[in-house]
Order: sequence, then C-alpha cells, then structure tokens
Amino acid sequence: RKEVEQDPGPFNVPEGATVAFNCTYSNSASQSFFWYRQDCRKEPKLLMSVYSSGNEDGRFTAQLNRASQYISLLIRDSKLSDSATYLCVVSKGSARQLTFGSGTQLTVLP
Amino acid sequence: NAGVTQTPKFQVLKTGQSMTLQCAQDMNHNSMYWYRQDPGMGLRLIYYSASEGTTDKGEVPNGYNVSRLNKREFSLRLESAAPSQTSVYFCASTPTSGDVTQYFGPGTRLLVL
Repeated sequence: RKEVEQDPGPFNVPEGATVAFNCTYSNSASQSFFWYRQDCRKEPKLLMSVYSSGNEDGRFTAQLNRASQYISLLIRDSKLSDSATYLCVVSKGSARQLTFGSGTQLTVLP
Repeated sequence: NAGVTQTPKFQVLKTGQSMTLQCAQDMNHNSMYWYRQDPGMGLRLIYYSASEGTTDKGEVPNGYNVSRLNKREFSLRLESAAPSQTSVYFCASTPTSGDVTQYFGPGTRLLVL
C-alpha cells in the first residue's frame, strides 16, 4: 500500500465549479500536511499547508482528519488557471522528509 | 535570488554512460534533496542531505551517488546509466529551522537509450 494515496483523476470541471480532492495517508506518525501544485512540465510548488483545525486561503480550503488519516482540498469558483496536478504531501516530524502522493489532475474547462 | 537551479535541463544518454546532475540553491538552506518523478508514481526520494557534509539514502537510491559539495551545491551522479533511470529529476531545498516547505528546481529531463 502506498504511504499517500490520491485519486489520479482526471477531474474535468467547468469554470466556476466547486471541486474536491481527497487523500489518505497510512503512517499515523505523520505530523505535517501540505498540498502542492504542479503545472504541466514544471516543478511542484507549495499551495498551502493543512492544519488540524482546517484552513482557508482565498478560494482554497484544506481539511485534515487525523483519526481517519484523511486530507482534503476544496477549490471554489474554479478558474482556468487552476488547471494543474495537485499533490498531497505528508511529513514525518523532524525528519524533514516529505512523502508525495502521485497527484490528482484537474482541468478547468471554459 | 535565483532560488534552486539545476543543470542540465535535458540530457540523452546511452546505456552505460555516466553523468552528473548539478543543483545549487542561493537561499542559505541547510537541507537538500534529490527526487525522481515517473508517470503515475509521484515524486520518490533518491538521496537527501540534512546539512553540509552529510548524505542519506532515500526510497530509491540504487544506481545513484550524491555529493554535498558545500552548503549551496548538491550533485547527483549516475555511474552507469540504465533505461530504467529515464525520468525527470528534481532537486529541492528546505529552510534551516521550523519550516519544512521544500523549494524545487525546474527539473532535469533524462532519457537513457
């Protein structure tokens, strides 16, 4: 079983739609959680950290459920520029190593 | 401030050839990492360096060696390239304290024939 599992998609949604991505992780010792964004043929970049209480950054909302070992990302009012692959990422404490999911591909259609 | 830079951007090798991928960061970060990314596999850690003078194996180290030349530079060497090493290679670095955000270079696309 992979340490971090994501639905690979692709998700094809119209502009303005709300879309949600889910992710599960297997290591209960994981301490830090993130969503990274990767555009086609580019490097991954941090989108947002995920906190236990849930957090929001503009149109993006991230949630963490430690009991179920589940992370989610909600994108509201999708824009064409949101088209990318979204990577779920977890970190094991002070090891400063990240484990990446294989990503969920999103295409926002005009 | 260039961030993380990688050279070369593209490379084609024949099986058995060797090469070194270069990575440098100008953000004074302590930790540096090498990943490979293959379709459907996500990013997998090859080697990392927690600080200057130290290196450790990641998930997929076989066939690779690394050198942390100084605080800025972390190179990845393929001694005898194999077709299975065809991939996109990313270097990343992390700030010294607290923050575990990784900052990535633009990647090197390697094709081994």
